[in-house]
Order: sequence, then C-alpha cells, then structure tokens
Amino acid sequence: KQEVTQIPAALSVPEGENLVLNCSFTDSAIYNLQWFRQDPGKGLTSLLLIQSSQREQTSGRLNASLDKSSGRSTLYIAASQPGDSATYLCAVPTQGGSEKLVFGKGTKLTVNP
Amino acid sequence: EAGVAQSPRYKIIEKRQSVAFWCNPISGHATLYWYQQILGQGPKLLIQFQNNGVVDDSQLPKDRFSAERLKGVDSTLKIQPAKLEDSAVYLCASSFQGPAYNEQFFGPGTRLTVL
Repeated sequence: KQEVTQIPAALSVPEGENLVLNCSFTDSAIYNLQWFRQDPGKGLTSLLLIQSSQREQTSGRLNASLDKSSGRSTLYIAASQPGDSATYLCAVPTQGGSEKLVFGKGTKLTVNP
Repeated sequence: EAGVAQSPRYKIIEKRQSVAFWCNPISGHATLYWYQQILGQGPKLLIQFQNNGVVDDSQLPKDRFSAERLKGVDSTLKIQPAKLEDSAVYLCASSFQGPAYNEQFFGPGTRLTVL
C-alpha cells in the first residue's frame, strides 16, 4: 500500500529565503509525482508534474526533483515571497487498477515579510 | 480555458439530512474524480469516473454516499443521510485521461458542515 509522507508539517521563513519541501513515498513503482498548492478555503492548484522518466521539472521559481529509487521528491522554492504562503501537497498515482492519487498531508508554508 | 466548476461552495446541514454537490469538469476531460478532504489531511479519493463509467469507488461509503456522471460530463455526489464525520471539503477534479500520465485539475471545493 502506497504511503506518502511530507516533512516538515509546517515551515516559517523570512521573505527572500530559498527553501526545500520534502516528500517521500513507500512504493517506488510510480508513474509520476505531482506537486500541488492549496490556499486556505480553496481547491488545489497543480504546480508541477514529474513523469517517472524525468529527474526534475522547473516552473518559474519552483523546481521539483524526483528520485524514484530512494522514494523521494523535493520542491525547491527560490527567493520566497509572502504570496507563496500556502499548504503544499505532493501526490503519486498507485500502480495498477484505477491508479488513484495518494496524497501526503502537506507542508504548511508561511513566508514572513 | 475554464476550470473545474463546483457548487455550492458552502453547505451547512443537520445530521441525518441529505445533501448533493455538483461538478462540471474541464471540457474534453474524460476522467472525473471526487475527493474528501478532512481538516489537516490530504484529499482521499471517493470515486473515479472514466467517461460515465466507474473506475474506482473502493473508498466510497456506499451505504450513504452515491455519485453519478450522466452523459460523461457533469457529476453529482450525494450524501444521504449525513453524519457528523462527513464534515469535510469535497473536491472535484478532472484530467484528460487517467491519473497515470495526466495532470489533475481541481475545483474550488464544497465545504460541508454537519451539525
């Protein structure tokens, strides 16, 4: 059974700092890994999707890496801004069957001005 | 491109009442998902449709929850009767095909409070 863990559960940083969010998964047989952002009271916004054949994906100040063999992914945020404050979730689809997404509990990020 | 639409955004009901949620996916997306997100947790898949057929409903409490996707487009999720533990945010998502290679796009969610 796939389990996804995100560490830390919460993170508070000053504006301008570079930071890394961590995601680990127990079953390395994944198709892809997706990072989402969730603002309070809102739905999820897809940030990056990394296919299993890729090592990393970049979008603006965001860079996500994937190491399937070790069951880990990181989301790097450069030059953080107060507008980056949100909960960040990672998710992987299970192999076989419906390939449903299994989510971590998320990391709540606060960027202080 | 219009996103995933959901209504209502908020709903407050008493236990044992019934409630229904509506979702309109992104045009052309064959796969539609309903998730339940309890405070402080990641979303949990309730049901997944491919066009108008059910792919996975293994985590749907079928004694009280039901869902349908008529004509492979819009979908409704119903709870009857509601329990206190059903208080959560219900998220609808869609993708072009199944989740293996396709990005999922989420709606704003419906926040349900059961009193």
